[in-house]
Amino acid sequence: ELKVEQNPLFLSMQEGKNYTIYCNYSTTSDRLYWYRQDPGKSLESLFVLLSNGAVKQEGRLMASLDTKARLSTLHITAAVHDLSATYFCAVDYTGTASKLTFGTGTRLQVTL
Amino acid sequence: AAGVIQSPRHLIKEKRETATLKCYPIPRHDTVYWYQQGPGQDPQFLISFYEKMQSDKGSIPDRFSAQQFSDYHSELNMSSLELGDSALYFCASSPGLAVDTQYFGPGTRLTVL
Repeated sequence: ELKVEQNPLFLSMQEGKNYTIYCNYSTTSDRLYWYRQDPGKSLESLFVLLSNGAVKQEGRLMASLDTKARLSTLHITAAVHDLSATYFCAVDYTGTASKLTFGTGTRLQVTL
Repeated sequence: AAGVIQSPRHLIKEKRETATLKCYPIPRHDTVYWYQQGPGQDPQFLISFYEKMQSDKGSIPDRFSAQQFSDYHSELNMSSLELGDSALYFCASSPGLAVDTQYFGPGTRLTVL
């Protein structure tokens, strides 16, 4: 059974600080996705990582994928309050993107 | 840009009642996915359809059924509702399988009393 674990589950950080969220998964996959969810809202696609060593950056967020270690990271640089949300990684292990298995989620709170 | 449309957005039902959730994918998207997200939980995959055929199945209870119609919209039918079915139900769509990403709709919040 595929397991996708994130840590930390909850992260409180000050504005301007850097931090990394980790996503570990148990079964081989070379497709990993990051989503953002605001409370009670839908899931917004942030990054799609499709190969080993893939790195993508958008604004203050940067995601990377190491398929050999079965690990993805989401790095936050100089956090701002607007980044407060829950971040999910999701893995497609079918190879056909027919379903995603989501991680446990990391609730990020950025304080002034 | 057009997004995934779900209706209704909110639904309140009694135990043992039935509910039908509808999903209208982004135009020219032929693949639809359904997910269930309980309070404070991560989304759980239920079922997906590609070109009107079921493509994959997850943890969908036998009380639930779903289909995709000729215009690619999808409906999730839920019978004998239980309190534990209270959740956010998301539909996502994509332009075919094995594509870059799934685009999620706003969700339907189902409350079972």
